[in-house]
Amino acid sequence: GAGVSQTPSNKVTEKGKYVELRCDPISGHTALYWYRQSLGQGPEFLIYFQGTGAADDSGLPNDRFFAVRPEGSVSTLKIQRTERGDSAVYLCASSLGIGFVAEQFFGPGTRLTVL
Amino acid sequence: AQKITQTQPGMFVQEKEAVTLDCTYDTSDQSYGLFWYKQPSSGEMIFLIYQGSYDEQNATEGRYSLNFQKARKSANLVISASQLGDSAMYFCAMSDDYGGSQGNLIFGKGTKLSVKP
Repeated sequence: GAGVSQTPSNKVTEKGKYVELRCDPISGHTALYWYRQSLGQGPEFLIYFQGTGAADDSGLPNDRFFAVRPEGSVSTLKIQRTERGDSAVYLCASSLGIGFVAEQFFGPGTRLTVL
Repeated sequence: AQKITQTQPGMFVQEKEAVTLDCTYDTSDQSYGLFWYKQPSSGEMIFLIYQGSYDEQNATEGRYSLNFQKARKSANLVISASQLGDSAMYFCAMSDDYGGSQGNLIFGKGTKLSVKP
């Protein structure tokens, strides 16, 4: 079956621009996570959705970052006024919801480069 | 605060030999899950093995086993019969809400494993 997909695979933008990163989870997975992985580091949690609502957004670094999941499936991570420090690989993962072992299936990531 | 520590930035192993990748964790929760992921150079995170905090037996998945020592708060990954394709970054991670409503993962910095022919 289809895994988690993310688009675009690469995004190059200029400082100050707005970007959107898309995640399409595995069909039927109600939980969706966004992580950010900087070079040489492990992924860092950003935000988690259970269904349509953001159940935990404590990992978002500041108010320039926002994510939505309006229909409980596809999610979009939005970054306003991008900064060079936002350059990283943004990973999306999905899992079956509450009551299951929280094995998360990851997408291939979007590599964001802010010039 | 929850934390995962991987003290080995890089490891080498001869093909067909076994290797242990170290992981220690810190949490005040009684219920938690421990995970190992593999990240090849392609970048995708591949789930390897899971251990729940209440599981009495060490988890095994094929050539992967998890040496879980709860009192020492360690969850080392053992790879038996290493293959060239095992060369990758390996991340230890923890979920601080075992099967619950959150499940967001806290990752270590990773260990780069290189398998020599």
